Amino acid sequence: GQNIDQPTEMTATEGAIVQINCTYQTSGFNGLFWYQQHAGEAPTFLSYNVLDGLEEKGRFSSFLSRSKGYSYLLLKELQMKDSASYLCAVLDSNYQLIWGAGTKLIIKP
Amino acid sequence: ETGVTQTPRHLVMGMTNKKSLKCEQHLGHNAMYWYKQSAKKPLELMFVYNFKEQTENNSVPSRFSPECPNSSHLFLHLHTLQPEDSALYLCASSQVGGGSYNEQFFGPGTRLTVL
Repeated sequence: GQNIDQPTEMTATEGAIVQINCTYQTSGFNGLFWYQQHAGEAPTFLSYNVLDGLEEKGRFSSFLSRSKGYSYLLLKELQMKDSASYLCAVLDSNYQLIWGAGTKLIIKP
Repeated sequence: ETGVTQTPRHLVMGMTNKKSLKCEQHLGHNAMYWYKQSAKKPLELMFVYNFKEQTENNSVPSRFSPECPNSSHLFLHLHTLQPEDSALYLCASSQVGGGSYNEQFFGPGTRLTVL
């Protein structure tokens, strides 16, 4: 079966760095997405990785290792507004998105 | 209007009611999706429409009935729902093919409560 695993909840301190991991087992791979979802709002796109390596976009970076079925989202200089759920999703061989349950990130002052 | 819009934002209905959820995308995309989001569970894909044709129906109960009259509009008709159907229903759209990597854009969702 297809499976996406990510931690349920993480806590970090304002100004610090946090890494949210995602491991996947899917039928085929056509890329991995990270989305951010604030409570009561729609998910919004953060990043897309299809090749191995690190993609940097401001305070956020996303890493992919296809051989290990592994990705992480790195958030630097954390701000209170970064408190949200972070969703990992893999595009499978049929170009359908398989979603993880999301990681709730709590930022403390 | 821009992006993906959904109405209503909140809906409370009894198990014998019939209601419809509406989604509209203003992005010129060719694919639209209905998702169900329950607390602490992954997003559940319900239906997919590519170029107005339904290409996915993930064993969704018949009390949920989708309709896609054109590439910009998507409806979800609801009837005789159960309390466990209470959830956030999200609509999304994307551009499939032509070199696109199928990034999905979501609407704000409809918070549905079934009494």
